[in-house]
Amino acid sequence: AQSVTQLGSHVSVSEGALVLLRCNYSSSVPPYLFWYVQYPNQGLQLLLKYTSAATLVKGINGFEAEFKKSETSFHLTKPSAHMSDAAEYFCAVNAMDSNYQLIWGAGTKLII
Amino acid sequence: DGGITQSPKYLFRKEGQNVTLSCEQNLNHDAMYWYRQDPGQGLRLIYYSQIVNDFQKGDIAEGYSVSREKKESFPLTVTSAQKNPTAFYLCASSLGDRADFNQPQHFGDGTRLSIL
Repeated sequence: AQSVTQLGSHVSVSEGALVLLRCNYSSSVPPYLFWYVQYPNQGLQLLLKYTSAATLVKGINGFEAEFKKSETSFHLTKPSAHMSDAAEYFCAVNAMDSNYQLIWGAGTKLII
Repeated sequence: DGGITQSPKYLFRKEGQNVTLSCEQNLNHDAMYWYRQDPGQGLRLIYYSQIVNDFQKGDIAEGYSVSREKKESFPLTVTSAQKNPTAFYLCASSLGDRADFNQPQHFGDGTRLSIL
């Protein structure tokens, strides 16, 4: 069965520091991967998605993620954190063998 | 602008009462979803619908019911059988084409349900 693991329920960084949020997935077929951001009391907003066109994916708000098949990872990074980045971030995978339902990670709360 | 509208933003339920959460989308999406979000647990799928007049149970469907009479609408009823309904409920939609596994889901701003 597919699964998504986000390492660390909370990550704290200083303003201007590198942001690294970790996501590992398990899937028996090539996956499609997504990162979403959720601000307090709001819905989720798509940050970026991996669809096999390129392993390094650039998203909104200066975020990017790199797909590493050998490590089954899709970590989210941003070179310099800003106060406005404080939110909860969710990684999700959509694989053909999951009846194309999104499998969600538990989320990581980014504290600036 | 196209999007998903959830209402109300806050809802209170008395014991033994059914309540209905509204979800409307004007994105012309075929698929719609309801999720429940509890602190520290991520999103859990309640029900989803890929086409009008058809829907399937998700992981935690017990105590909930849905209908899909129109493409743009997917209301969720929290019944009295749901003993712990306090949560944040999110509605989402996507194109839903089985060939488009890379299509993201688009979300409404959620409804927060509490017990009186």
